[in-house]
Amino acid sequence: AQKITQTQPGMFVQEKEAVTLDCTYDTSDPSYGLFWYKQPSSGEMIFLIYQGSYDQQNATEGRYSLNFQKARKSANLVISASQLGDSAMYFCAMRGEAYSGAGSYQLTFGKGTKLSVIP
Amino acid sequence: DTGVSQDPRHKITKRGQNVTFRCDPISEHNRLYWYRQTLGQGPEFLTYFQNEAQLEKSRLLSDRFSAERPKGSFSTLEIQRTEQGDSAMYLCASSKPKNQPQHFGDGTRLSIL
Repeated sequence: AQKITQTQPGMFVQEKEAVTLDCTYDTSDPSYGLFWYKQPSSGEMIFLIYQGSYDQQNATEGRYSLNFQKARKSANLVISASQLGDSAMYFCAMRGEAYSGAGSYQLTFGKGTKLSVIP
Repeated sequence: DTGVSQDPRHKITKRGQNVTFRCDPISEHNRLYWYRQTLGQGPEFLTYFQNEAQLEKSRLLSDRFSAERPKGSFSTLEIQRTEQGDSAMYLCASSKPKNQPQHFGDGTRLSIL
């Protein structure tokens, strides 16, 4: 079984500042992937960044970086230089990746963090 | 490269009616997923297709729910005899094989009167 915990229901950040959104996870899978998605008020889920459990380096995608600490089972999202358009719900998710063949790779999501960027 | 398309965006219906949602995945994606998201929660997995085969179903998918993916392209999710508790956002996602990220559609928001 997999579990994702996001302990911050809401966060505020000043425009142009950096912000860290917390995510801890629990799994028995030896190999797994961690994801962050953004969900604006319009409802679509937008893929932001991916980290594989055996990746040696932390993932980065533009202003997004994933602070992966395997021993602590944490996968925090760092957004640099926040913009007003970053205001949204942010979901951390994971899936096992030890499958071969027909494994579903279904995602398990946390409850999300609502980020509000203040002008 | 068009994204995942879902139809309709919103559906309002009376309790007891049947509803059907459609999902068109990204064209080269052979994996298709359905999730349900209720207010204040993250999405929860419902079912998964690899090509036309439905390979996994969640315990959340009661007998009133059925999903199909004929010909391995678009998929439909039908809910029979809708109940108040079915009110939610229904999200479809698709991906390439194995470790590729899932890309989501805009969702169908279902409201049961």
